[in-house]
Amino acid sequence: DSGVTQTPKHLITATGQRVTLRCSPRSGDLSVYWYQQSLDQGLQFLIQYYNGEERAKGNILERFSAQQFPDLHSELNLSSLELGDSALYFCASSVAVGLAGEEQYFGPGTRLTVT
Amino acid sequence: GENVEQHPSTLSVQEGDSAVIKCTYSDSASNYFPWYKQELGKGPQLIIDIRSNVGEKKDQRIAVTLNKTAKHFSLHITETQPEDSAVYFCAARYDKVIFGPGTSLSVIP
Repeated sequence: DSGVTQTPKHLITATGQRVTLRCSPRSGDLSVYWYQQSLDQGLQFLIQYYNGEERAKGNILERFSAQQFPDLHSELNLSSLELGDSALYFCASSVAVGLAGEEQYFGPGTRLTVT
Repeated sequence: GENVEQHPSTLSVQEGDSAVIKCTYSDSASNYFPWYKQELGKGPQLIIDIRSNVGEKKDQRIAVTLNKTAKHFSLHITETQPEDSAVYFCAARYDKVIFGPGTSLSVIP
């Protein structure tokens, strides 16, 4: 158990809908990262938040947004969902800003299925 | 853009044999190279990492080598066991982590 929790574990929704994925980092970790894992794209970095502020951005679509709250938990919002958004979404956390050598601890993931 | 290639995509070895997974990266500014193991239904877990100022690092049965000039790095698992069966991801990091596509390792008892 990494100490990172994600809810829900599974989510099934229809195209065009909006969903929110939630992540609680390890106790004491200030950074939260979001990743998308699909069969054809592998593990893709979406976005990082550090202590409530956006720190780095990856291949995140404009339909997706995230935020980190004062208690350091994070939410990933996915809107206008398309079939291609079906994937595993992982949250990871690290103790500080995420410099080289700083381990990221991954949560168990949320499996999103868009029908 | 930044890219990490990984080979092979699948690997089957007999229990007790060695397994080698190779990666190349494109961004010469990358300075940190972690390896993750992902078991079915779980998130990736860091198993070993190496920084750009080190050529080799070993942790029990696992070792990683880095050739910065060639932009290659490799994972070596010796004396493989069935519980080593999983998907392994290499990654390279400068300002963000770029993952390779993964290698599915099967260790046959």
